[in-house]
Amino acid sequence: KAGVTQTPRYLIKTRGQQVTLSCSPISGHRSVSWYQQTPGQGLQFLFEYFSETQRNKGNFPGRFSGRQFSNSRSEMNVSTLELGDSALYLCASSLGPRENIQYFGAGTRLSVL
Amino acid sequence: AQKVTQAQTEISVVEKEDVTLDCVYETRDTTYYLFWYKQPPSGELVFLIRRNSFDEQNEISGRYSWNFQKSTSSFNFTITASQVVDSAVYFCALSDTGRRALTFGSGTRLQVQP
Repeated sequence: KAGVTQTPRYLIKTRGQQVTLSCSPISGHRSVSWYQQTPGQGLQFLFEYFSETQRNKGNFPGRFSGRQFSNSRSEMNVSTLELGDSALYLCASSLGPRENIQYFGAGTRLSVL
Repeated sequence: AQKVTQAQTEISVVEKEDVTLDCVYETRDTTYYLFWYKQPPSGELVFLIRRNSFDEQNEISGRYSWNFQKSTSSFNFTITASQVVDSAVYFCALSDTGRRALTFGSGTRLQVQP
């Protein structure tokens, strides 16, 4: 069974641009969560989606948004990029609301110049 | 608010040594889950174990063992006879039953020297 797939693996953007990251969950998993990992703040929860609806949201500004499609694939978008948005963005999937073991992808490393 | 503390930033051992990674947590919830994940240089977080707050039984899986003590709010992880392949960053995490959002500790970087 294929794991969580995140694309692209690496991205370089400049300040002010926007970016979209993609995540394909493990087949059969319906819940997708996103996390940001930085050296200074560590791993922080961004948001969670289930059945195309955002179920939980972390403490991030509105520039960070996401969505989930009917096939459970998810995208996250960051608008008006800032230097501090440089991070590893990790996507995790789980079976659904009653299962909380999250399986992570390899992440997208975003560099904002 | 939930909090996870991993006081050991970095540990270096020689192969075949035993090593224990400490994890202390804070939560007001009576029902919660604790996790350990491994992050190798590739970046992917690899799930190792989940424990719920009602199950204080220690667990052993091969060279890995976990000690959960509610009285001290700790969930420590021991690797017996460490190997070079164990070199990675290890994260302890906490979630309550209502949300699946994980609260992570800052991680412990383990370096196993040959």
